[in-house]
Formats: sequence, structure tokens, C-alpha cells
Amino acid sequence: EAEVAQSPRYKITEKSQAVAFWCDPISGHATLYWYRQILGQGPELLVQFQDESVVDDSQLPKDRFSAERLKGVDSTLKIQPAELGDSAMYLCASSQILTSGMPYEQYFGPGTRLTVT
Amino acid sequence: TQLLEQSPQFLSIQEGENLTVYCNSSSVFSSLQWYRQEPGEGPVLLVTVVTGGEVKKLKRLTFQFGDARKDSSLHITAAQPGDTGLYLCAASSGGSYIPTFGRGTSLIVHP
Repeated sequence: EAEVAQSPRYKITEKSQAVAFWCDPISGHATLYWYRQILGQGPELLVQFQDESVVDDSQLPKDRFSAERLKGVDSTLKIQPAELGDSAMYLCASSQILTSGMPYEQYFGPGTRLTVT
Repeated sequence: TQLLEQSPQFLSIQEGENLTVYCNSSSVFSSLQWYRQEPGEGPVLLVTVVTGGEVKKLKRLTFQFGDARKDSSLHITAAQPGDTGLYLCAASSGGSYIPTFGRGTSLIVHP
């Protein structure tokens, strides 16, 4: 069964350092999402791509976070510099191309657990 | 921004008991999904509901979408320890494809 791949699974970094996460969506899925999930809460959308274009990044802290999906396939989320409050689970999800009136169904990767010390 | 409220926030029960968790909003949704998330893993899609009043069953799990498409419920019959996890609802409204998640219901089923 096709899965969303993410790496690394765990990352420990010191504050002010740079960190990057990678996501490979299910083959053929045009839409890719990055979420941040704080323990005990639901996922919060950071950025949404349709192919290589950003659909929404209104909740992405752009002073320190960046995301790209250059060829419309895999994607990288970067934090520079990392802060203590960035400690969280970072989830990637993908879905088929969005069409008007059709529900999207997201498939999630296993996530990257980030700890900033 | 639409807000999805899930209740209860926490639920601890014994194996064999029945339970219902809720997902409510003041917004009308075009579709709503339920996910289960185990500790340290990503959410796994359980079901999508689209039509007001729709009922879907997945083994011991029954999902219902409210008639007005503003709320949903998940009922588990004869809960088992394997049902333990965080149950999340997610939805979008109108022409928006930007999903919103609730905070989830954390369920623990004791053997």
C-alpha cells in the first residue's frame, strides 16, 4: 500500500540552529500539506501546495519557516533559526488533486518529532 | 476561520463499554473526516462523510453527519484496547480546500 514518507522520524537540535524535514507524498497526489501538532492538540496547517504552487501559507511563520516543492513531488520544510517553542510533531500529508465539490481525503506520514533544546 | 469543537477532550473506559464522541461547529461543512492517531504516529483516515444525515459504519464504529452538516458523532460499540488513541475530526466549508482540525478526543480503553 502506498504511503507518505517522512524523514527524519526524530530530530533534536539546539535553539538557533537550522533544521530541515523532508516529505515524499503518495505517487500521483498533487496536493501536499505540512502541519504542526503540539502534544494534546490537533494538527495546525502550516502550508498547503497544489503541485509546486502554494495554496495557503497564512499560518506559516515566514520569518523563520520556509517550505518548497520545486518539482511538484517531494517537499522540504525548513526552520532557521529554531526556537524552543518549535518543539512539536511535524506532519506531512497528501491528497489527490482538489476538485470543486469533492471531498479531499488526506493521507499522513509518520511525522517528525522535533525537540529544540 | 471555522472552529471545530470536539468533546469530550478525554475519555477513559473499560473494555466492552460503549462511547460516543462529538465534533461540533457553527459552520456548514462540505465534507468531514474522522481520523485516529496513535502516539508517535500520523493520523489515519477512518471515514469521510458528505451528505447531511449520512450514517457510515466501519465494524464497531458508527459515524453520523448532522442533518445541517454542522456536526458529527462517532460511536464505538464494545470498545477494545486497540481502539485507544486520539480521535480527530477535520473539515472544510464552502469552496475552501483548506482543512481545519479539532483538538481531538483522547480515548483510553483499559483491558
